[in-house]
Amino acid sequence: QKEVEQNSGPLSVPEGAIASLNCTYSDRGSQSFFWYRQYSGKSPELIMFIYSNGDKEDGRFTAQLNKASQYVSLLIRDSQPSDSATYLCAVSNFNKFYFGSGTKLNVKP
Amino acid sequence: DGGITQSPKYLFRKEGQNVTLSCEQNLNHDAMYWYRQDPGQGLRLIYYSQIVNDFQKGDIAEGYSVSREKKESFPLTVTSAQKNPTAFYLCASSIDRGNQETQYFGPGTRLLVL
Repeated sequence: QKEVEQNSGPLSVPEGAIASLNCTYSDRGSQSFFWYRQYSGKSPELIMFIYSNGDKEDGRFTAQLNKASQYVSLLIRDSQPSDSATYLCAVSNFNKFYFGSGTKLNVKP
Repeated sequence: DGGITQSPKYLFRKEGQNVTLSCEQNLNHDAMYWYRQDPGQGLRLIYYSQIVNDFQKGDIAEGYSVSREKKESFPLTVTSAQKNPTAFYLCASSIDRGNQETQYFGPGTRLLVL
């Protein structure tokens, strides 16, 4: 069983719609949770981190964490073609980081 | 201009050759990491270092070696023992916010075998 599971996609949404990306993790001791955006051929870029249960909003992005269900999600409102990328979910437990394989998002104009 | 730099951007290795990938950070981060990314497989941890002169093996350390002589630098050597080195190599560093580490990545080095 992988530490972090994501649907590989691709997830296709029309421009202006809400994109919903999901992630589950296996280690109940995980402390911190991250979403990275990775454009093709580039390195991952941190876009959100969340440490506590509930929602965290930053601009068009909302991260949601449910530790009881071991579930993290990322909502992207008003999706733009420039949001088309692979989104990596990551969790950490005292300096060890585990990454999912990523979900590819396509936003169609 | 703070950040993480990796060089070179592209690196070509011949059979039996050792090559070294550079990673430098001026963020004053204590911890540094090396990952390998293959298509469709996500990131796999090669080595990590929490402090100077100390480092730990990750999940796929065989065929790789590292050093951490300075806080700012964490070079990775891909040895001839690594039989399938073609991949995208990512260096990262992290800041500790009291058990809430946040990790940032360099631009990456793409290694190809001739």
